[in-house]
Amino acid sequence: KNQVEQSPQSLIILEGKNCTLQCNYTVSPFSNLRWYKQDTGRGPVSLTIMTFSENTKSNGRYTATLDADTKQSSLHITASQLSDSASYICVVSASEGWNTGFQKLVFGTGTRLLVSP
Amino acid sequence: GAGVSQSPRYKVAKRGQDVALRCDPISGHVSLFWYQQALGQGPEFLTYFQNEAQLDKSGLPSDRFFAERPEGSVSTLKIQRTQQEDSAVYLCASSLETRFNSPLHFGNGTRLTVT
Repeated sequence: KNQVEQSPQSLIILEGKNCTLQCNYTVSPFSNLRWYKQDTGRGPVSLTIMTFSENTKSNGRYTATLDADTKQSSLHITASQLSDSASYICVVSASEGWNTGFQKLVFGTGTRLLVSP
Repeated sequence: GAGVSQSPRYKVAKRGQDVALRCDPISGHVSLFWYQQALGQGPEFLTYFQNEAQLDKSGLPSDRFFAERPEGSVSTLKIQRTQQEDSAVYLCASSLETRFNSPLHFGNGTRLTVT
């Protein structure tokens, strides 16, 4: 069964500190891996998208890594800010529906990050 | 509009009532998805449209759930005879293209509570 597991479930860090969130997946056939940020009561917002051939991608203070061999990804947040408090969701796309380009996304349950002043 | 718009923002329904949830995708976006997100969980796929064609509805939990996108823009998710287990946030997402790494833009969801 296609699954995406994230750790830790929740995390509290002090403002200004760095943190790393983990994602393991068993989705096949793999197409791409995405990290989303979801604020409470809002829809997810895309941070990064990585295909099989990419092993790192940055978006400001967010850096995602991908190891397609071990099926692991991480999201590193540098110099955290209060506004980083949110759930971070790892999403893996299975390349089903090839003819239609349909992206079958498998979502993790997220890591809930709280940045404390 | 600038983003994906969903309405209503909140909906409370008595068990057995029918509800209709609306999604206005970003103008010109070809692909439209509906997801169901239970509290503390990640979104789960319900159905997918490419323009007006519903290409996949394998995630709809029962025949009480029905979705349409008749003109290839606005979409409606209808739930008949609502049950308590239908309580969740229903998210709509759209993307400009159908290629695999096309970014998805999510709405803020409709929170449905069935009492």
